[in-house]
Amino acid sequence: EVQLLESGGALVQPGGSLRVSCAGSGFTFTNYAMNWVRQAPGKGLEWVSTISPSGGTYYTDSVQGRFIISRDTSKNTVYLQMNNLRAEDTAVYYCAKQNYYDGSDYHWGQGTLVTVSS
Amino acid sequence: DIQMTQSPSSLSASVGDRVTITCRASQAVSNHLAWFQQKPGKAPKSLIYGASNLQSGVSSRFSGSGSGTDFNFTITSLHPEDFATYYCQQSKSYPLSFGPGTKVDIK
Repeated sequence: EVQLLESGGALVQPGGSLRVSCAGSGFTFTNYAMNWVRQAPGKGLEWVSTISPSGGTYYTDSVQGRFIISRDTSKNTVYLQMNNLRAEDTAVYYCAKQNYYDGSDYHWGQGTLVTVSS
Repeated sequence: DIQMTQSPSSLSASVGDRVTITCRASQAVSNHLAWFQQKPGKAPKSLIYGASNLQSGVSSRFSGSGSGTDFNFTITSLHPEDFATYYCQQSKSYPLSFGPGTKVDIK
């Protein structure tokens, strides 16, 4: 059974940093794209970042230069390092896996809440 | 960047109704279009990939169609558990983008 478990969400002050993690099981990590998608309170879904099976990384414009996606294949874990956090980064952060080439086999984690506030 | 729109933004329907949601991309995305369902307080769930393919384990009452810029998502007979918000997403090019969502609630 595929499972994705996010962790690391917390209350952080503006300008601070935080790393959230997503541990996967039940699949071979390097065969899939791993995504981070966020949802601000009461708002819709927003794609944040993707790491491809080959390790290529992609970001939405609003986090480019502040967030870094990475993975540890030995731990089947993907990370999102978030720096210089802003109030508008407050959201539930979901990780999701998918077949990179056709979008099949798509699974979501349960999400982790990041709150940026003083 | 590709912008996604959905219509309607919300709709009210009854159990057993046929429901159709439209998604439009600001430029052609071929068939790189997915549909997701989200219930309040829950993680999204993937329903459709490649515009018309059901994810494994998803009920056949859900279907998708379209290509290029215009797409439809249909629930042939609404079940009580289908009341939720539905999102489309393009994966043709980065940055990936979601539509704003369509909330389906009980009439």
